[in-house]
Amino acid sequence: DVKVTQSSRYLVKRTGEKVFLECVQDMDHENMFWYRQDPGLGLRLIYFSYDVKMKEKGDIPEGYSVSREKKERFSLILESASTNQTSMYLCASSPELWDSGAEAFFGQGTRLTVV
Amino acid sequence: TQLLEQSPQFLSIQEGENLTVYCNSSSVFSSLQWYRQEPGEGPVLLVTVVTGGEVKKLKRLTFQFGDARKDSSLHITAAQPGDTGLYLCAGAGGGSYIPTFGRGTSLIVHP
Repeated sequence: DVKVTQSSRYLVKRTGEKVFLECVQDMDHENMFWYRQDPGLGLRLIYFSYDVKMKEKGDIPEGYSVSREKKERFSLILESASTNQTSMYLCASSPELWDSGAEAFFGQGTRLTVV
Repeated sequence: TQLLEQSPQFLSIQEGENLTVYCNSSSVFSSLQWYRQEPGEGPVLLVTVVTGGEVKKLKRLTFQFGDARKDSSLHITAAQPGDTGLYLCAGAGGGSYIPTFGRGTSLIVHP
């Protein structure tokens, strides 16, 4: 059974803290993605990576950075957390780029609250 | 960024009713996917459609891709409480290899 695992289901952090969200996939997928999901706004792409040490900005990269040192792990970093980054964060991986219709596998999500 | 409009945004129905969810765009997509997300979980793929006019069935769910590959619909027959969740469409292609998600349709089916 394929799996994308996010390190935390719930996190509460203080404004200004540096926050790390970790994601691990066991399917040897090339591509990994970080989205945030907010009510009424759907899924918005923050960053994606198509190979180790490679990354591309998505639609809303401001205030975030990412790290992919190993193929199976993709980390999202909030450099200085702010209250407007309170959200559900979803990690996904896929074997091919999505214009081929490849399936994306999602983690269970991390609900981050910044106070 | 290609835009995908989903409608309706919310749907609350009784068990046994039929419903249709729409996903529309002005852009042409090479493929379109439907995902279902249950509360507290990540989205799970239901279907991928790639050919204009294509119809796919998954038990009580029927998915259709428009002839021009700009729109899609999801029809559920005799909805059950287990169908409750957020339904998301995602389209890829047209120069973008990262899919665009619609904002989702939140479905509640009451017993």
